[in-house]
Amino acid sequence: AQSVTQLDSQVPVFEEAPVELRCNYSSSVSVYLFWYVQYPNQGLQLLLKYLSGSTLVKGINGFEAEFNKSQTSFHLRKPSVHISDTAEYFCAVTKGIYRDDKIIFGKGTRLHILP
Amino acid sequence: DVKVTQSSRYLVKRTGEKVFLECVQDMDHENMFWYRQDPGLGLRLIYFSYDVKMKEKGDIPEGYSVSREKKERFSLILESASTNQTSMYLCASSYTGNTEAFFGQGTRLTVV
Repeated sequence: AQSVTQLDSQVPVFEEAPVELRCNYSSSVSVYLFWYVQYPNQGLQLLLKYLSGSTLVKGINGFEAEFNKSQTSFHLRKPSVHISDTAEYFCAVTKGIYRDDKIIFGKGTRLHILP
Repeated sequence: DVKVTQSSRYLVKRTGEKVFLECVQDMDHENMFWYRQDPGLGLRLIYFSYDVKMKEKGDIPEGYSVSREKKERFSLILESASTNQTSMYLCASSYTGNTEAFFGQGTRLTVV
């Protein structure tokens, strides 16, 4: 079975500084990986996804993530954060092969942007 | 634009009531999911469905049931609501293969 671990529950960072949100996964087969963002009082929306191909994936709002198969990681990065990036970020994994495959989410990382 | 619509944003129910949370998607997605979101616990899968009348238990199905009579609609049922079911409930849908899930706005349920 797959699992996802988000290593930090909260990350404070100053505005315009770089940030990395860490995600590790566990699976015995190939997986699809995702990062979702949840702004206050809203549902989740997709930031970016890795399905195959290039290990560096670019998403919306200047975010990117790198798939590292040997370290089973999919860390999310942004070179310069803005106050509007204040949100909760979720890493997710799925095998995506069979019709009954689930999507498993991590516990989330709250990003606090400090002025 | 894909739309996943949950019938209520906020709901207050009494202990012991039978509660229905409705979710409708307009993209002909095969898969539909119900998650529960609690602080510090992330999203936990309650049930999901990969076809009409098909359902699979997630990680925390106890106290819940689901119904999918039509492809576009997936209902979550709390048979007898309890205070420990006070939570945010999120519905999502995706095509087979799960290459992207689309979420509704969530229903914040309070059981008193």
